[in-house]
Order: sequence, then structure tokens, then C-alpha cells
Amino acid sequence: QQQVKQSPQSLIVQKGGISIINCAYENTAFDYFPWYQQFPGKGPALLIAIRPDVSEKKEGRFTISFNKSAKQFSLHIMDSQPGDSATYFCAARPNSGYSTLTFGKGTMLLVSP
Amino acid sequence: DTAVSQTPKYLVTQMGNDKSIKCEQNLGHDTMYWYKQDSKKFLKIMFSYNNKELIINETVPNRFSPKSPDKAHLNLHINSLELGDSAVYFCASSQGQGAFHYGYTFGSGTRLTVV
Repeated sequence: QQQVKQSPQSLIVQKGGISIINCAYENTAFDYFPWYQQFPGKGPALLIAIRPDVSEKKEGRFTISFNKSAKQFSLHIMDSQPGDSATYFCAARPNSGYSTLTFGKGTMLLVSP
Repeated sequence: DTAVSQTPKYLVTQMGNDKSIKCEQNLGHDTMYWYKQDSKKFLKIMFSYNNKELIINETVPNRFSPKSPDKAHLNLHINSLELGDSAVYFCASSQGQGAFHYGYTFGSGTRLTVV
């Protein structure tokens, strides 16, 4: 059972455009929602994260939008650049003891020059 | 450099062999993890250790045996390797639990190929 559903599987965006990746979850115990960025041959790296007490968090060109009632959250990359081409993973974790991050299946983003 | 480091980066071995992957973190984190990333890039938790204690073991065949000699090290030993074990294995670490949990720091991965 996939607890975090991520879409689209792949995305091609022109340079300067907005990249949008969506995730949905079912487990209402989730209370921490990070996004990770992975370049080929590297490990995932934390990009930005949000907790459900806010609806939006922005860091530079990266914004997380969070809709608690719909149990959805999304990553927006403004002014997308070729250097943003990578695989992006959403994840979620419940606020309970020793639980771990559950990852979405990833989105391969290609930003064309 | 402060980081999570894994060795080796690449591992090619024959079916039936036994191999180990080592992981070390110098971030002072108290929790370490092993994740498996398959050919479709799906990341799946295998094990989690907190202060050398195994706290999560996710339906992993018992051919896989993690060992944590101290909270900065988490090694993974795999017996009787099978073709289906081919994947990239990531070690990660984090600090804190529950409401005080912060993000994971991942190593750069070990690409295991079983032939």
C-alpha cells in the first residue's frame, strides 16, 4: 500500500517556467512533509519541508503548498533552471516515536534550455 | 567534511556471495537508516537504528543483517546474494524523534550489482 502518492512521474518544463509536483496522502497522523532532490549518482538531499500548521512555505524559488483538508501538498519551482533537472521526492512522517519517512515514487524533472 | 559516507560506492558480485556495506556519519545524529532504491528509483526503508538499537525492521529477508557498533556507524551485511538484491542502497541519519525530528542526511549510495 502506497501511503504517499506522487505525480507526475516525469515532467518537462522550459527554462523560466514553473514546475509543479503534487503529492497526496491518506494517513492523518503524518505531520512532517519534506521534499528531497536527487541528482544522478547522488543521495537525496533535503530541499524544503513543511508542517501542517502552515499552508505555504517558501525558500528562494521553491515553495511548498499544503492543503490539510484535502491531504495534499505540492512543490512549486519558480523560474525553473536546467540545473534543477533532477528527481524530486515528496515524503511524509507521522509524529509518533521512532517512525520513518515514507517516500513518494519520485518525479523526474527535466528543464529544457 | 561533515557527512554521511558509505563504502564502497560500487559493488559487483556473483550470486550466492556474502558482502558488506559500511556507513559512517560525523553529524552527531542519534538515528541511522538503510534505504533501498530500486531500478524505478523507489526509496524503501529497510532498517532504522537509534543509539545502536534496532528500532525498525521492515519485512526484509533475514539474509540482510544490519550492525551498529556505535551510534556513528551502521553497516549492512548481506548473505547469499540474489539477483533481486541489485539496487542502490542508501544510508541516512537524522537527529531527534517525533515532533523534534529533522530532515535526513543521505549518503551518496552504494550501487550493488549481482550477476
